[in-house]
Amino acid sequence: KQEVTQIPAALSVPEGENLVLNCSFTDSAIYNLQWFRQDPGKGLTSLLLIQSSQREQTSGRLNASLDKSSGRSTLYIAASQPGDSATYLCAVTYNQGGKLIFGQGTELSVKP
Amino acid sequence: KAGVTQTPRYLIKTRGQQVTLSCSPISGHRSVSWYQQTPGQGLQFLFEYFSETQRNKGNFPGRFSGRQFSNSRSEMNVSTLELGDSALYLCASAPGGDGQPQHFGDGTRLSIL
Repeated sequence: KQEVTQIPAALSVPEGENLVLNCSFTDSAIYNLQWFRQDPGKGLTSLLLIQSSQREQTSGRLNASLDKSSGRSTLYIAASQPGDSATYLCAVTYNQGGKLIFGQGTELSVKP
Repeated sequence: KAGVTQTPRYLIKTRGQQVTLSCSPISGHRSVSWYQQTPGQGLQFLFEYFSETQRNKGNFPGRFSGRQFSNSRSEMNVSTLELGDSALYLCASAPGGDGQPQHFGDGTRLSIL
C-alpha cells in the first residue's frame, strides 16, 4: 500500500530557529514529490516540487531534499518566522496524473 | 492570473440530500482534481479529470461523481448525503500531464446536519 508519513505531527519553535520537517513514503517509485503549506480555513499553497530525478529544490528560505532510495524527503526552513506558522503537507504522485497521496501533515508554530 | 476558484465556500445540507460543488481552474489548466479533507482521514483523493475525461479515481463510493466541461471547469456531485460526508472539499488544477505543481482553491466547507 502506498503511504506517506510525516514526523513530527506538531512542532513548536522560537523565532529564528532553523528546522527540519520529515516525510517518508513506502513505495519509492514516485514520479514527483510536492510540499505544501495550509493555513487554517484555507486551501493548500504549493511550496516546492521535486521531480523523481532531482535531489533538491530551493525557494528563498526553504530547501527540500529527496532521497528516493530510502523513501524520504526533508523540508528545511531557515531562520523561521511567526508567519511560517501553518500546517506543512508532503504529497507524492506515482504517474503523470493528478493523484496526490498526502501525509497527515506537521503543524508548525513559530513563537515570537 | 486568477487562482483556482471554488463555489460555494460554505454549504449546509441534511442527510439524504444531494449537493453540487463547482471548481474553476487556473486559465489554461486542463487537469482538475478533487480531494476530501477531514480531521480523521486527512486529505484523500476523489478523482481527476483531464480534457473532460476522468483519468484517475480514488476509493470513494459511487455517490461521489464528477464531470468536466469543455472550458475545463469541473463540478463534483454527492448524492444521498451522509453525516460522514462533512468535510472540506478541495479542488486543484494543473496544466496537464507533465508532473507540474498542482494549485489548490480555498475549498468548499460542507456540513451535514
